[in-house]
Amino acid sequence: DQQVKQNSPSLSVQEGRISILNCDYTNSMFDYFLWYKKYPAEGPTFLISISSIKDKNEDGRFTVFLNKSAKHLSLHIVPSQPGDSAVYFCAASASGTSYGKLTFGQGTILTVHP
Amino acid sequence: ETGVTQSPTHLIKTRGQQVTLRCSSQSGHNTVSWYQQALGQGPQFIFQYYREEENGRGNFPPRFSGLQFPNYSSELNVNALELDDSALYLCASSLEGHGIGGANVLTFGAGSRLTVL
Repeated sequence: DQQVKQNSPSLSVQEGRISILNCDYTNSMFDYFLWYKKYPAEGPTFLISISSIKDKNEDGRFTVFLNKSAKHLSLHIVPSQPGDSAVYFCAASASGTSYGKLTFGQGTILTVHP
Repeated sequence: ETGVTQSPTHLIKTRGQQVTLRCSSQSGHNTVSWYQQALGQGPQFIFQYYREEENGRGNFPPRFSGLQFPNYSSELNVNALELDDSALYLCASSLEGHGIGGANVLTFGAGSRLTVL
């Protein structure tokens, strides 16, 4: 049972354009959402997060949007840079569960071309 | 501030054997979580340790066990290895209660890649 889904295995964009990565979830108990980025041979690194009481959170070039009614979130990267090329994981957490328990999606490979 | 370090980075075992993976938490962190990442999949939560006790477990059988030591380092032990245990095992540390509401921001190590033949 895949509770967090990233339906696009890969995304390719030109440098300077917008990258939009999507994520869907099924568990209504999820109330915190995070995006992690992973480079080869490295562990995932935290990028940005959003609480279910918000619908948008911005941090520099990165913005996460949450649509609770659709159980959908997206990560926007503007402008995209070649160094953003990595695997991006969407993750979700539910209050009352272990703080260290995140449910991850399968990941989307982002390639930004110069 | 040191990050999360894991050892070994790669190892090969045969079916039925036992394996121990090790993790040193980031300085100042008191909670450690272990994840299994199969090829082409996202990380899957195995369990979490806080104050040297397991306080959360994912859908993994009892042959997956762990320890957390007083210095907050940790071990993941897997007994009776199966072919499907081949994966990248990620350790993540965090500071309990210091997250975004109900979720801690986890700091991950680079992982230990286990191959079971």
